Amino acid sequence: DVKVTQSSRYLVKRTGEKVFLECVQDMDHENMFWYRQDPGLGLRLIYFSYDVKMKEKGDIPEGYSVSREKKERFSLILESASTNQTSMYLCASSPAFGLADTQYFGPGTRLTVL
Amino acid sequence: EDQVTQSPEALRLQEGESSSLNCSYTVSGLRGLFWYRQDPGKGPEFLFTLYSAGEEKEKERLKATLTKKESFLHITAPKPEDSATYLCAVHGSYNTDKLIFGTGTRLQVFP
Repeated sequence: DVKVTQSSRYLVKRTGEKVFLECVQDMDHENMFWYRQDPGLGLRLIYFSYDVKMKEKGDIPEGYSVSREKKERFSLILESASTNQTSMYLCASSPAFGLADTQYFGPGTRLTVL
Repeated sequence: EDQVTQSPEALRLQEGESSSLNCSYTVSGLRGLFWYRQDPGKGPEFLFTLYSAGEEKEKERLKATLTKKESFLHITAPKPEDSATYLCAVHGSYNTDKLIFGTGTRLQVFP
């Protein structure tokens, strides 16, 4: 079974803090994704990566950055957290780029910025 | 622009009362349609992928079907444990880098 893990289930941070969200997948997938999910807005893509050290902006990249130093690990960074970044953050991975392959999701991190 | 609309937003069923969830999509060349189940506070769990009109897939009480404009998730004789939000997403040929998600249907099944 595909397994995607995220470093924290719940996180509380203060405005202006730098926040790291970690995601690890164990299926040797090439592609990894970061989404945020908000009520009424659905899942929105923040960034994705189709290879080590590669990254592409999604629909809402502002205020975020990412890092992929190893194939299995994809990090989301909030350089200076703000209250409007309070959300559920979901990481996903898929086995190929350019094909309609299934994305498998982690359990999510509920981030609250005070 | 690629778009996914799910209906209804919420559905309440009695245990054993069969029904269907709808996912309408507009995409420039469908390359895949995905159904996920999401429990509160958890990540989406993959259910089905459909690739072409006429295709059907089944898993326990769930059956997904696909036409050129929409997909249905049929739930036969649901049980309370089927209560969850069901998400639909499409992968279009001109957006090969991402899935377009609907906002989901929240299903509640009462005993």
